[in-house]
Amino acid sequence: QVQLQQSGPGLVKPSQTLSLTCAISGDSVSSNSAAWSWIRQSPSRGLEWLGRTYFRSKWYSDSAVSAKGRITINPDTSKNQFSLQLESVTPDDTAVYYCARFLTQSGGRLDCWGQGTLVTVSS
Amino acid sequence: QSVLTQPPSASGTPGQRVTISCSGSSSNIGSNTVNWYQQLPGTAPKLLIYSSNQRPSGVPDRFSGSKSGTSASLAISGLQSEDEADYYCSAWDDSLNGYVFGTGTKVTVL
Repeated sequence: QVQLQQSGPGLVKPSQTLSLTCAISGDSVSSNSAAWSWIRQSPSRGLEWLGRTYFRSKWYSDSAVSAKGRITINPDTSKNQFSLQLESVTPDDTAVYYCARFLTQSGGRLDCWGQGTLVTVSS
Repeated sequence: QSVLTQPPSASGTPGQRVTISCSGSSSNIGSNTVNWYQQLPGTAPKLLIYSSNQRPSGVPDRFSGSKSGTSASLAISGLQSEDEADYYCSAWDDSLNGYVFGTGTKVTVL
C-alpha cells in the first residue's frame, strides 16, 4: 500500500521560499509508471495542480503555467522522496499543499495523496 | 482559476439519485479521460472514478461516471449520509500541458 508523508513548515514569510517534502513508502520515486505531483487548494483558487517530476530513462519535471519560473520539484532517490520549492511567495500562495502520485496508466489519475500541509504566508 | 465547470451544489434525500455535471473543452475532456475525486471535510481528496467510468477497488458501485464530448458526469445512486462531501472532476489539458480540476460541487444529504 502506497503512503505519502508530507513535512515542512506551516508558516513562511512573504518573499521567502516555501519548501515541502513528500516521503514515499510502498513505491519508488523512480517508478516508470508514476509521476510525483504537488497540488494546492485554497478558497480563492480551488484545487490547483502545481507540477510533477517523473523518471523515464532520465528525470523530467514540468509545472503549471501559473507557477512557472518560481517552482522547483526535485526527486531524492537516496531517501525515496520528492520536494517542492516555491520562490518569492506572497499571501496569495497561502493554501493547503498536497503531494500525490499520478499513475500514468489508463489515462492517468492521482490515486494516492499525502495528508496535506497548511502553509500560511505572513510576516 | 479552475478550467472545468461544475455546479456549486447538489442535494438529495437518502436513497435518491444525484448527478453532477462537469463541462470542459476540446483540449481537456474532449481529448482525455476524466477522473472524479471525493473530499470529506478536513481530509485530502480521494480518487472516486478514473478513466471516465472506472471505480478503484473499494469504491461502492453506487458511484458511476460517464463522458460525452467535452462534458462528463458523476452519478450517485442510493444516496447515503456519508456521501455528503465535495466532489471534483479533473482531466489532463493538452493546451496547458497540465492537470486541471473542476470548480467543485458540494453534495448535501437532506
